[in-house]
Parts: sequence; C-alpha cells; structure tokens
Amino acid sequence: KNEVEQSPQNLTAQEGEFITINCSYSVGISALHWLQQHPGGGIVSLFMLSSGKKKHGRLIATINIQEKHSSLHITASHPRDSAVYICAVGIQGAQKLVFGQGTRLTINP
Amino acid sequence: DGGITQSPKYLFRKEGQNVTLSCEQNLNHDAMYWYRQDPGQGLRLIYYSQIVNDFQKGDIAEGYSVSREKKESFPLTVTSAQKNPTAFYLCASSIGEADTQYFGPGTRLTVL
Repeated sequence: KNEVEQSPQNLTAQEGEFITINCSYSVGISALHWLQQHPGGGIVSLFMLSSGKKKHGRLIATINIQEKHSSLHITASHPRDSAVYICAVGIQGAQKLVFGQGTRLTINP
Repeated sequence: DGGITQSPKYLFRKEGQNVTLSCEQNLNHDAMYWYRQDPGQGLRLIYYSQIVNDFQKGDIAEGYSVSREKKESFPLTVTSAQKNPTAFYLCASSIGEADTQYFGPGTRLTVL
C-alpha cells in the first residue's frame, strides 16, 4: 500500500462544477503539499499546510490531521484548471517528500 | 527573474552512454532535489542536497550520480548502470528541507 493515496485517479467535469480531490496518508507528517502539473510537465506548488484550511483564489485546501486526510477543492472550475494535481507529504523526521500518483483533472467547456 | 532552470527540455541518448542533466537556481536556496517521474507513478526522489558539497541518496539512487560544488547548481548524471533511464526528470529547490519546493520545467530523457 502506498503511503500517499489520491482519489479519484481521473476526473472529468463540466465548466463551473465544484471539484474535490482527496488525499489520504498513512504516516506521520510534518506538512502536506498540493502541487499542480500542467501538460508540458512543469510543476507549481499550490499549498503547503499542516493544519486547518488555506484558500487562494478559487482553490481551497483542507487537512484533518486526526483522520490523515486532505482535500483540494476548486470552485467554479474552468478549462484552464485542467492539469494533474499531486498530493505530497513531508515525512516526520525525514528530509524528503512522498508523492501520491496524482489526479488527472479535465474540465470541459 | 528568480527561478529554477533545467536544460535541455528533451534529450536523446544511445544506450550505454552517460548523460548529464543540468539544474540551476538563482533563488538562493540551500536545498536541491532530483526526482524521476514515470507514467502512472508518483515522483520518486533520486538524490537531494541540503547544502553545498553535501548530498544524500534518495529512494532510487542506483545508476545516478550528482555533485553540489556551487549553491546554484546541482547536475545529475545518468550512468550506463541505470537499467531503465528513459523518464521525465524534475529538479527542485527549497529554502530549507521542510519548506515549499520550487520545481524546474523538467527534462525528458529518452534512451534509444
């Protein structure tokens, strides 16, 4: 079993829909990261959080430490949100990130 | 503009040849990382460096080597010992080991 599991693996939605991507992890973490990878391959860091909730524009990230679970929400989705969204966790006591397999999101106009 | 660059974007090599991938950052970050990405898999850590002249093996270091002679540069050499080198390689940097990582655009290596 992977230390970081994302669901769904693939998600297709219509423009304007509310999107939720989930991430579960099985280890103690120092922080959780949400990343966005566009078709060209470049990766952008969206959020780093260790508790509660963060919001940036139409993106919201939440984390529940007790349940070892995080969600990434996109409100009023747009075709330009189409990308692979990756969850990664910083392992407590280790200087590295462990990555989920990613969720491929496609927003159709 | 501050950022992290990788070159080249696409690289083709014959089997058995060593190849070096470039990674440069002007963000004044101490920590730098090399990841490998294969289809359907999460990023996997090859090597990382927390400070100049020091680096540690990641989860899949076999067949790879690195150097960190300058703070700005962290080149990765894919040696002929790497059994399946065709992949997408991403370099990243961060202020410190637990901080947000900034990624380069990646190099897609194809070994023919």
